[in-house]
Amino acid sequence: DTGVSQDPRHKITKRGQNVTFRCDPISEHNRLYWYRQTLGQGPEFLTYFQNEAQLEKSRLLSDRFSAERPKGSFSTLEIQRTEQGDSAMYLCASTRQTNEQFFGPGTRLTVL
Amino acid sequence: QQQVKQSPQSLIVQKGGISIINCAYENTAFDYFPWYQQFPGKGPALLIAIRPDVSEKKEGRFTISFNKSAKQFSLHIMDSQPGDSATYFCAASKGSSNTGKLIFGQGTTLQVKP
Repeated sequence: DTGVSQDPRHKITKRGQNVTFRCDPISEHNRLYWYRQTLGQGPEFLTYFQNEAQLEKSRLLSDRFSAERPKGSFSTLEIQRTEQGDSAMYLCASTRQTNEQFFGPGTRLTVL
Repeated sequence: QQQVKQSPQSLIVQKGGISIINCAYENTAFDYFPWYQQFPGKGPALLIAIRPDVSEKKEGRFTISFNKSAKQFSLHIMDSQPGDSATYFCAASKGSSNTGKLIFGQGTTLQVKP
């Protein structure tokens, strides 16, 4: 257990529905990352927060995706109008002012 | 564009043997190179990491060898154990002054046979 928690661990939804995931980073970590991992692949960067500011978004993050980190603590990732191609493991990672990123257990999304 | 290439895709090693996984990168601005271990259904766990100012780093049975001129780095697992059976990912990033986002390789599935 790295100390990064994610909720829910699994989510099954129907195509077109909206879903929201939550990440609680290690408390003193000011940097928070979201990654997406599909089966048999390495994680791919989605977005990055430093404190409450979202400083970078990947081109993978279409306009159906939005992320927030109010007050620089927990973060949420919302996917609107889900598509089958959104099925993946969504991973959250956090760190202080170093490169050592600690990952949570992930949220497995299945879009039917 | 694949910035970090990892090989082999899968590896089978006998217990007690040495497992070797290789990665190559393209962007010379990368200055942090970690290795992560991932078990099925779990998030990646940081194993060991290296910066380009050293050529080798060892932590227990795990060693990273780094060749800056060749833009390659590798993970060696000595005395491999069945409990090491997992998927291993190399990664690279541009450093804490940037966003620090990690660019991952495609992964290597390691099976250690008893």
